[in-house]
Amino acid sequence: GALVYQYPRRTICKSGTSMRMECQAVGFQATSVAWYRQSPQKTFELIALSTVNSAIKYEQNFTQEKFPISHPNLSFSSMTVLNAYLEDRGLYLCGARAWGSQNTLYFGAGTRLSVL
Amino acid sequence: AQKVTQTQTSISVMEKTTVTMDCVYETQDSSYFLFWYKQTASGEIVFLIRQDSYKKENATVGHYSLNFQKPKSSIGLIITATQIEDSAVYFCAMRDPYQGGRALIFGTGTTVSVSP
Repeated sequence: GALVYQYPRRTICKSGTSMRMECQAVGFQATSVAWYRQSPQKTFELIALSTVNSAIKYEQNFTQEKFPISHPNLSFSSMTVLNAYLEDRGLYLCGARAWGSQNTLYFGAGTRLSVL
Repeated sequence: AQKVTQTQTSISVMEKTTVTMDCVYETQDSSYFLFWYKQTASGEIVFLIRQDSYKKENATVGHYSLNFQKPKSSIGLIITATQIEDSAVYFCAMRDPYQGGRALIFGTGTTVSVSP
């Protein structure tokens, strides 16, 4: 089956520092990866969509300068939160789309970011 | 604009009964895909079931089924013979055309509590 692993599961960083989170697709080729942030109220914000061999598309209010993403192959993607502040807290989720899956995204358990 | 609305914040049911959740959507697309996901207490998001708009038959997977009413832009989720482990937050989602269909727009979720 399609599995997506995210690590770390939880992380705490000091205000103004940066942290990197990773997303690994197992059992399928992730042609595209959508990075989301889920608020404590459970609402989803799409940060960016990364497709192998294509430019990464960031949503409004999210920038490459703040959330740089790497998607070097069909099984791995990473995103860094630079200069994290309180408003960056939340559960960061990656949804990976498999080739031929009719737009179905498979998610990991997320990386929960706390900022002190 | 694309939008997904879940009006039920929470539902409580007894084990082995049936629970129904509502979801309405707005889209300008003539062909679209609708999804239901479940988020467990650990944060993991699990894909449950998908409905393709061009299919008249309601999708069914295990004890999950959909009530697709296209004229009403409605896609309800039905869980039969509920189990304690069905307790979770359930999200309705729709393909986001502004990201080439590779990302999803989510509703705000319905929390389901199943009691013994």
